[in-house]
Amino acid sequence: DAKTTQPTSMDCAEGRAANLPCNHSTISGNEYVYWYRQIHSQGPQYIIHGLKNNETNEMASLIITEDRKSSTLILPHATLRDTAVYYCIVRVVSGSARQLTFGSGTQLTVLP
Amino acid sequence: DAGITQSPRYKITETGRQVTLMCHQTWSHSYMFWYRQDLGHGLRLIYYSAAADITDKGEVPDGYVVSRSKTENFPLTLESATRSQTSVYFCASRDLAGPTAGEQFFGPGTRLTVL
Repeated sequence: DAKTTQPTSMDCAEGRAANLPCNHSTISGNEYVYWYRQIHSQGPQYIIHGLKNNETNEMASLIITEDRKSSTLILPHATLRDTAVYYCIVRVVSGSARQLTFGSGTQLTVLP
Repeated sequence: DAGITQSPRYKITETGRQVTLMCHQTWSHSYMFWYRQDLGHGLRLIYYSAAADITDKGEVPDGYVVSRSKTENFPLTLESATRSQTSVYFCASRDLAGPTAGEQFFGPGTRLTVL
């Protein structure tokens, strides 16, 4: 799986959009970009994933650059409950079990 | 309850004792995983299973044993617990195919302390 690089930490004001970047310059053509988050003391939670096109769901939007070497997770209206560590993971979907490889992630702190 | 559950949620044991952590999922997902999470190491894969009676080692399998006699259960056993196995353990599952095939669903975790 391709390696990802994320900032160690970020702050965001409550109610504002939180934009979390991720670099994955060695991504292969069949690898997806996944985002998970882990709120303190809880299990990781799936947020969103995408291959080429931008994606949106009820939790967030995922913007992938045209060359696919980087992406941004957007939480449109951050709340205090969005404070968590956010993990960007690049992996293929099909094939073997393909466990997730978690890096260090970005600690997002939403400030009141 | 639907979903993925772990038991116990908290466990304190002594060095040398055998401990079994339970994981149960109600989705009939093919794949199941055990991770441990320690400060400074993030999540590391211990074992995983692609189906009943099929298991394989992950990154840090030493000192652990797994079994999967039924699709929905994936117990993790520490045969002789050591202090270095003090950690938070997460179980996860994912489907083989379908719209959620790429997602892993995690349990709430078991916090294990070995004295």
